[in-house]
Amino acid sequence: GAVVSQHPSRVICKSGTSVKIECRSLDFQATTMFWYRQFPKQSLMLMATSNEGSKATYEQGVEKDKFLINHASLTLSTLTVTSAHPEDSSFYICSARAGQSSGREQYFGPGTRLTVT
Amino acid sequence: RKEVEQDPGPFNVPEGATVAFNCTYSNSASQSFFWYRQDCRKEPKLLMSVYSSGNEDGRFTAQLNRASQYISLLIRDSKLSDSATYLCVVNLGGSYIPTFGRGTSLIVHP
Repeated sequence: GAVVSQHPSRVICKSGTSVKIECRSLDFQATTMFWYRQFPKQSLMLMATSNEGSKATYEQGVEKDKFLINHASLTLSTLTVTSAHPEDSSFYICSARAGQSSGREQYFGPGTRLTVT
Repeated sequence: RKEVEQDPGPFNVPEGATVAFNCTYSNSASQSFFWYRQDCRKEPKLLMSVYSSGNEDGRFTAQLNRASQYISLLIRDSKLSDSATYLCVVNLGGSYIPTFGRGTSLIVHP
């Protein structure tokens, strides 16, 4: 399958700071990328959908000013958690899909484990 | 009612057993379907897409029943390495947004 990388894999930051997470599709062009959050023993929660060159679409209850998403190229999307707080500590996973067709599968990055102290 | 629902788990089976998971979806216009597996503290990995005609990949068989709005995953001859959480994913009609089920935990024991 296609390869998606995510960086960093783990980050610890202090409350009030911002953290940027990068998601890259390495061997295909990702028209659409998704950002998820997963708390321990819970299901994946979709945070936002980002299409290259346009603004991200956020799910209900996700603050767009807190979780800044940029999808400037067909291989890179970034998620910036601004003014992080301990309750933002979670496992953040991106996925990428080639094309906007709903028939396409998505491939996941390895995830970023964020701990806010 | 949730858009995508899965069998409650965990399923605890011995090696060699056959186990089946079901997943129901509420939107009849759903267009594409997938099974992913997720190991503890790891990202989901695509197991297989689910086609209208059904498809098989080794010990794994996936089927789609549009009339009843469910998909299934059958695992034959279970291995210890099959222990994981299996996620049903449906791309809902009218949008391209994937919707995940909560997952079914499978534990294969010796």
